[in-house]
Amino acid sequence: ETGVTQSPTHLIKTRGQQVTLRCSSQSGHNTVSWYQQALGQGPQFIFQYYREEENGRGNFPPRFSGLQFPNYSSELNVNALELDDSALYLCASSTQGAAEYFGPGTRLTVT
Amino acid sequence: AQSVTQLDSQVPVFEEAPVELRCNYSSSVSVYLFWYVQYPNQGLQLLLKYLSGSTLVKGINGFEAEFNKSQTSFHLRKPSVHISDTAEYFCAVSVTYGNKLVFGAGTILRVKS
Repeated sequence: ETGVTQSPTHLIKTRGQQVTLRCSSQSGHNTVSWYQQALGQGPQFIFQYYREEENGRGNFPPRFSGLQFPNYSSELNVNALELDDSALYLCASSTQGAAEYFGPGTRLTVT
Repeated sequence: AQSVTQLDSQVPVFEEAPVELRCNYSSSVSVYLFWYVQYPNQGLQLLLKYLSGSTLVKGINGFEAEFNKSQTSFHLRKPSVHISDTAEYFCAVSVTYGNKLVFGAGTILRVKS
């Protein structure tokens, strides 16, 4: 059984650019959630996808968007990057009604 | 809306000593409760969860937590810590199991030899 994987591990972007982060869910999981963890803080819920449909969204602006694919992998897209978007982005997968299992994260730095 | 307060930002403790990491939550509805651990430069690992039933929950690595509804607390305990327990610990709640975890700010546990 493979765990949750994320790519890339690290990346550096310039303010105003766009970025795409990727997540492969754990085998058998049909639900993916994304969280943003700023330095020194707890993770904050961005949104969740269940069977390719958005299934809940946190308090993030529309420039944060996502996709879930038929194989349940997922992408997080962030447009018009701002300095405050610098954070660790965590992906978590689960089946409905089950605990979430987290990937190692992608460290995004916006300069 | 739900919120989580972790009362200590850092907890230093000597190896083989007991430890308690404190967590209080606020919610107008029933919640599910979780503790996660984050080792340096890694993602979050689920330690334990409370869904219903017995208020004392046992997790991995010898950790346990007790749900206290009247005090809206879910403190994490370990009777004897090891150097390898040095990490950041996050308490979290959710209203719907498997959706939208609300996390506290974290407690860094530093185990000293």
